[in-house]
Amino acid sequence: DTEVTQTPKHLVMGMTNKKSLKCEQHMGHRAMYWYKQKAKKPPELMFVYSYEKLSINESVPSRFSPECPNSSLLNLHLHALQPEDSALYLCASSQGGQTNQPQHFGDGTRLSIL
Amino acid sequence: GNSVTQMEGPVTLSEEAFLTINCTYTATGYPSLFWYVQYPGEGLQLLLKATKADDKGSNKGFEATYRKETTSFHLEKGSVQVSDSAVYFCALKDTGRRALTFGSGTRLQVQP
Repeated sequence: DTEVTQTPKHLVMGMTNKKSLKCEQHMGHRAMYWYKQKAKKPPELMFVYSYEKLSINESVPSRFSPECPNSSLLNLHLHALQPEDSALYLCASSQGGQTNQPQHFGDGTRLSIL
Repeated sequence: GNSVTQMEGPVTLSEEAFLTINCTYTATGYPSLFWYVQYPGEGLQLLLKATKADDKGSNKGFEATYRKETTSFHLEKGSVQVSDSAVYFCALKDTGRRALTFGSGTRLQVQP
């Protein structure tokens, strides 16, 4: 059982839709991450939140908008996505952003853009 | 910069065979090293970790030893099962950097 919970598991949306991905952890971790994973590739970092503040944005297009309402929750708001944005979106958390503690991943949201 | 190199896959083995997946790394600091496993349709699960040189991480019959002299962290298992079929990612995290650096992943297929 994963300790990082992501919803929904699957999402199909059109290019004009607005939707949100949600992530929740109750391990007391203070760093949370969004990754994008294409088929047969490793995850690519998108955003890092540390102590509820955005600390890294890996030059992600503005059609992806992260939000961290509190230390347990992380959202990714989607708007006007492109077909190439279809991928598995993974959330992860760790004790602190700059420690060498491992990141714990959720099962991801598989996103398809029509 | 940091980088992780894994052996190309897929690796195809028969059940009960010995497994080695090679991983070497380049890092500017003193990283921690990890192996993650991804089963079909799932996210990444932490398999094992090592935080300093000569540490051995182990879990579910898998082992890897942090070798600073060869900058390696090879994954081994003495007897694989069909249920071990998955993609395995080697990764490092350097102090002072928030991101994990992943290898390209190695697909393991175990046949009955």
